[in-house]
Amino acid sequence: DAGITQSPRHKVTETGTPVTLRCHQTENHRYMYWYRQDPGHGLRLIHYSYGVKDTDKGEVSDGYSVSRSKTEDFLLTLESATSSQTSVYFCAISESRGQSTEAFFGQGTRLTVV
Amino acid sequence: DQQVKQNSPSLSVQEGRISILNCDYTNSMFDYFLWYKKYPAEGPTFLISISSIKDKNEDGRFTVFLNKSAKHLSLHIVPSQPGDSAVYFCAAIGKSGTYKYIFGTGTRLKVLA
Repeated sequence: DAGITQSPRHKVTETGTPVTLRCHQTENHRYMYWYRQDPGHGLRLIHYSYGVKDTDKGEVSDGYSVSRSKTEDFLLTLESATSSQTSVYFCAISESRGQSTEAFFGQGTRLTVV
Repeated sequence: DQQVKQNSPSLSVQEGRISILNCDYTNSMFDYFLWYKKYPAEGPTFLISISSIKDKNEDGRFTVFLNKSAKHLSLHIVPSQPGDSAVYFCAAIGKSGTYKYIFGTGTRLKVLA
């Protein structure tokens, strides 16, 4: 299994509070991603990173920010949580070398905004 | 604008028979396509992929077919087993571009014993 750890695994927070989710990898992969999974929507890309301090928006980036100060860590921050951000969040990593194409996913973080 | 579409939210198949999951895409810049399997409370796990220069890739019971002209791919599982019951996502990526994986909405497969 790829070395990806998401923390926390579960969180309940109140509307309007900031929340930070952490993704830590031990694979030294270049690319890191944050997705959210919602019924009827599948996996939607929030933000991704193609290197330290290099990030870009995905399909559903409004209300989220990210930071990557080290290769191994990719943080997702909800500046002011809303109920629409209740979801399961997945981090993924990938490497572009050679024939490798797949991304590897973490176990997910279930976030509930009340 | 959904670039990767899975139009069947669910599929039920008898054990031992073939399962066929379908996926359509719109972006011609995609050059790799992948299938992932997801069990409840777990992260998606990679199953099989195919390059846009091929039309078929096989790995054990799993075969992916790509029809570039129709912008369509399918995953065949033969024979289907109860342990295959899961949600299947197709994904696409343009390796020469921004390296973003775009996923479909998923198909829930139930294999009946």
